[in-house]
Amino acid sequence: GAVVSQHPSRVICKSGTSVKIECRSLDFQATTMFWYRQFPKKSLMLMATSNEGSKATYEQGVEKDKFLINHASLTLSTLTVTSAHPEDSSFYICSATSGTLRYEQYFGPGTRLTVT
Amino acid sequence: AQSVTQPDIHITVSEGASLELRCNYSYGATPYLFWYVQSPGQGLQLLLKYFSGDTLVQGIKGFEAEFKRSQSSFNLRKPSVHWSDAAEYFCAVAPRGAAGNKLTFGGGTRVLVKP
Repeated sequence: GAVVSQHPSRVICKSGTSVKIECRSLDFQATTMFWYRQFPKKSLMLMATSNEGSKATYEQGVEKDKFLINHASLTLSTLTVTSAHPEDSSFYICSATSGTLRYEQYFGPGTRLTVT
Repeated sequence: AQSVTQPDIHITVSEGASLELRCNYSYGATPYLFWYVQSPGQGLQLLLKYFSGDTLVQGIKGFEAEFKRSQSSFNLRKPSVHWSDAAEYFCAVAPRGAAGNKLTFGGGTRVLVKP
């Protein structure tokens, strides 16, 4: 099956710094990648949709200047949390899909971000 | 606006007993329907999906789900639960058509399995 990886799996950063999370499709080309945020004991909230080579589409209420998404290649998307604050601490999950995987998203294992 | 409701936050079931997880959706038209499982340290895994056709859908790990249009429901079932089924389960929907990829998740149901 299609495999998606995320790096790092856990990261701790200080307030005011930026942190980058990578999402890679390992055995397929992902034309579309999604970024989700999951609060403790809560569901996944879609943050943005990114299509390779174009700007990401952010969901309402998600600050695009704070959560920078880049999808520069068909196998890599990055989420950069800029000027992180403790309230940005969360579990960030990416997923990937393509035309050959219609309507089925493959999820990465997630990245636990803690901002101190 | 579309929404997905999983009424049960927690369910505890004995190993070997049957399991049913409820999912109701509110949507303009019948969406695509999915069930995912999330285990600690692992990504969400697709258990099954419904697009059209037979309303009883078979999935992996012995799970099945039944789509009932009249009730706007897509409940997940397993006849005999194994200890490894302890996990968080999410129902999700996606609109039909060009935007079909965009998933909306329910709140999740945590399943605990007693020995």
